[in-house]
Amino acid sequence: SAVISQKPSRDICQRGTSLTIQCQVDSQVTMMFWYRQQPGQSLTLIATANQGSEATYESGFVIDKFPISRPNLTFSTLTVSNMSPEDSSIYLCSDRGRAETQYFGPGTRLLVL
Amino acid sequence: AQRVTQPEKLLSVFKGAPVELKCNYSYSGSPELFWYVQYSRQRLQLLLRHISRESIKGFTADLNKGETSFHLKKPFAQEEDSAMYYCALKGGSTLGRLYFGRGTQLTVWP
Repeated sequence: SAVISQKPSRDICQRGTSLTIQCQVDSQVTMMFWYRQQPGQSLTLIATANQGSEATYESGFVIDKFPISRPNLTFSTLTVSNMSPEDSSIYLCSDRGRAETQYFGPGTRLLVL
Repeated sequence: AQRVTQPEKLLSVFKGAPVELKCNYSYSGSPELFWYVQYSRQRLQLLLRHISRESIKGFTADLNKGETSFHLKKPFAQEEDSAMYYCALKGGSTLGRLYFGRGTQLTVWP
């Protein structure tokens, strides 16, 4: 199974600022996914990050708010821009490994004041 | 549209009792179904997938296409089974993305 790490593990930010979350996978993967898990709710896909092309965003999520980079097959970043308290959530990255199984990072817990 | 429904937000059983976590789905094609588990202070991890038809930690889940269900079962629950369980569906046309249910928090009392 792939080992996925995320940085930072948690952060407290002021509204109006931006935070970039890093996701590192220990093996090359074609597709990486960014999810959001708001308090008491399930996981919601934000976007799919493909290496060498622009990310594909789900309905309700836009690139200006959640820009994503995917510079190579083992790394991706998600930026939460111009944050508001409603962005307080856990952000998870995931990959699609062998056997079509997805593995998840430990998550980044974000609190926006 | 794809949808995964977990009707129970909370489920409590006593140690040694059988447990069943319900999951229903809607999908027009042939879905792949998964159960993910998140123990306290740990990351989300795969528990089992229907294709493998395996038993992990005593849990099994059978895909019932007629009832569009993928319930997770264990005949004798253990305290260490206490966790958040998510049912997830992967559709063939969505290139690997998963659709998650809202999750069921299972508590196994001693």
